[in-house]
Amino acid sequence: GAVVSQHPSWVICKSGTSVKIECRSLDFQATTMFWYRQFPKQSLMLMATSNEGSKATYEQGVEKDKFLINHASLTLSTLTVTSAHPEDSSFYICSANSALAGATDTQYFGPGTRLTVL
Amino acid sequence: GQNIDQPTEMTATEGAIVQINCTYQTSGFNGLFWYQQHAGEAPTFLSYNVLDGLEEKGRFSSFLSRSKGYSYLLLKELQMKDSASYLCAVRQAARGNKLVFGAGTILRVKS
Repeated sequence: GAVVSQHPSWVICKSGTSVKIECRSLDFQATTMFWYRQFPKQSLMLMATSNEGSKATYEQGVEKDKFLINHASLTLSTLTVTSAHPEDSSFYICSANSALAGATDTQYFGPGTRLTVL
Repeated sequence: GQNIDQPTEMTATEGAIVQINCTYQTSGFNGLFWYQQHAGEAPTFLSYNVLDGLEEKGRFSSFLSRSKGYSYLLLKELQMKDSASYLCAVRQAARGNKLVFGAGTILRVKS
């Protein structure tokens, strides 16, 4: 149980284009999903918290107009990197938690999406 | 604010025991998690502590002392596949139960 999927697993795009990444909770309903970014040999940095049916909450320093988050259902959140630039190249990971997924309300992570912007 | 410290790297021998420490300073503590992350992959959940004491799960155990702001992850009977980064993460109730991650400890298991 508590499986989270992400699509695509990797993407290469040209500078200036937009990229959409999907995060799905496969066997539970996720009231909250989180989006992280991880640069090589660094830890996970939280970008935003996504709540179903409401606007995402962004961490300080994260541009909400550049990283668009939509959490339209209890099983799906999307992150769109708009007008991507090479500095946006990173490993993007989503996680989901729900009290129903376990008593500890644990965050379960998706497999990640590696974005390379040329 | 919050501050989470872990050693950057550790090396241990196959079959041995290794302890990875994590110290934290945070407000509104609501649990500490340990995750394992292999290179290029997402973190996988290992353990959770919210009360003081030791939680054992097979070859992995995790300890928490809230008064000292200290936790450790103990790995027994090390295997080569245990070579990975181990992330300590603190959950903060005051921040909507968000997780704040330490920088991670890279563990290298040698034969």
